Amino acid sequence: GIQVEQSPPDLILQEGANSTLRCNFSDSVNNLQWFHQNPWGQLINLFYIPSGTKQNGRLSATTVATERYSLLYISSSQTTDSGVYFCAVGINKFYFGSGTKLNVKP
Amino acid sequence: ETGVTQTPRHLVMGMTNKKSLKCEQHLGHNAMYWYKQSAKKPLELMFVYNFKEQTENNSVPSRFSPECPNSSHLFLHLHTLQPEDSALYLCASSQVPGARRDTQYFGPGTRLTVL
Repeated sequence: GIQVEQSPPDLILQEGANSTLRCNFSDSVNNLQWFHQNPWGQLINLFYIPSGTKQNGRLSATTVATERYSLLYISSSQTTDSGVYFCAVGINKFYFGSGTKLNVKP
Repeated sequence: ETGVTQTPRHLVMGMTNKKSLKCEQHLGHNAMYWYKQSAKKPLELMFVYNFKEQTENNSVPSRFSPECPNSSHLFLHLHTLQPEDSALYLCASSQVPGARRDTQYFGPGTRLTVL
């Protein structure tokens, strides 16, 4: 299967700080999504981004498919951004990374 | 609210019990999935159903038995589980699996504890 590596595994931020999360994957894919899992376990889609750049409020994402990586940018972080961020890639099925656990402190 | 619901949200069962997890999607999707999320592990795909037909079984032990009576409902029947099966079980749906623009929507999960 496709290997998905996310970094960093853990991240602690002060409220208001910016951060960049990275997702590397081992093979060509036609689908890439970023999810946020809140402390209660709910996974929420953030971006569908197999290539290019997208922005949604304080979040943006960039995928460079030819180099097999994607970046998730969080600006002006808030405590509600805390949780685990997952990258999922695939063609016929999704492969998930181990996630980046983010803790935003007030 | 993602349009995918799961019940129960929490379940504690003994190793000899039989129980079922239920998932329902209100999005008009044709594909449904079961995932297992254990502590400190990536999400593991268990089963995929496409138009009610099982298209993927990721080497899941037979003590987990899925059922998909229609495109909106998915069940996971559990029997003679082991303590290591304790995990968060997540259901997801999408329009069609493997499609280039396929986006998965997840339910809130069932937190399962096997004693």
